[in-house]
Amino acid sequence: AQSVAQPEDQVNVAEGNPLTVKCTYSVSGNPYLFWYVQYPNRGLQFLLKYITGDNLVKGSYGFEAEFNKSQTSFHLKKPSALVSDSALYFCAVRDNTGTYKYIFGTGTRLKVLA
Amino acid sequence: DAGVTQSPTHLIKTRGQQVTLRCSPKSGHDTVSWYQQALGQGPQFIFQYYEEEERQRGNFPDRFSGHQFPNYSSELNVNALLLGDSALYLCASSGGYSGNTIYFGEGSWLTVV
Repeated sequence: AQSVAQPEDQVNVAEGNPLTVKCTYSVSGNPYLFWYVQYPNRGLQFLLKYITGDNLVKGSYGFEAEFNKSQTSFHLKKPSALVSDSALYFCAVRDNTGTYKYIFGTGTRLKVLA
Repeated sequence: DAGVTQSPTHLIKTRGQQVTLRCSPKSGHDTVSWYQQALGQGPQFIFQYYEEEERQRGNFPDRFSGHQFPNYSSELNVNALLLGDSALYLCASSGGYSGNTIYFGEGSWLTVV
């Protein structure tokens, strides 16, 4: 069965510092991995995805994520945080065994302090 | 290029009533999925529609049903509403050039009283 874990409910980081939001997953086949961001009272916005290829993927707004197969992780990173990055971040996974269902984590609230 | 659009934005219903939520997919997309996001939780998969058929269903009761129209738009219907159905209902579309990426609408906030 597919599952996603986001071990931190909240991450606090000072503006200008690097940020990391953690995600680990479990799937039957090869994973398709995604990060989405949700601002208050809004839908989810797509940030980036890993399907295959280079383990470091770059996405919108300066975010990137590193796929680590041995640790089954897909952590979201940004070299320099902005106050406007404060939001709720969701990791999602789907496998390549024929399912169309995306499994989402419970979300991590990122707070960037000025 | 319009993104995924959903209506209504907010609605309040009474227990036992029925509700219909609507979704228009992003231009070029032919697949629509519905998710329920309860407060403080991640989105939970309800079902996916493709070629006007339900292609896959999550762990939701039969009170939740849907439909996809020839223009790829979709409806989510929930019968016999329970207080626990209060949530943000998200429509996501995919297909064509988007590959495996699903794009979400702003959602419909349903409150059951």
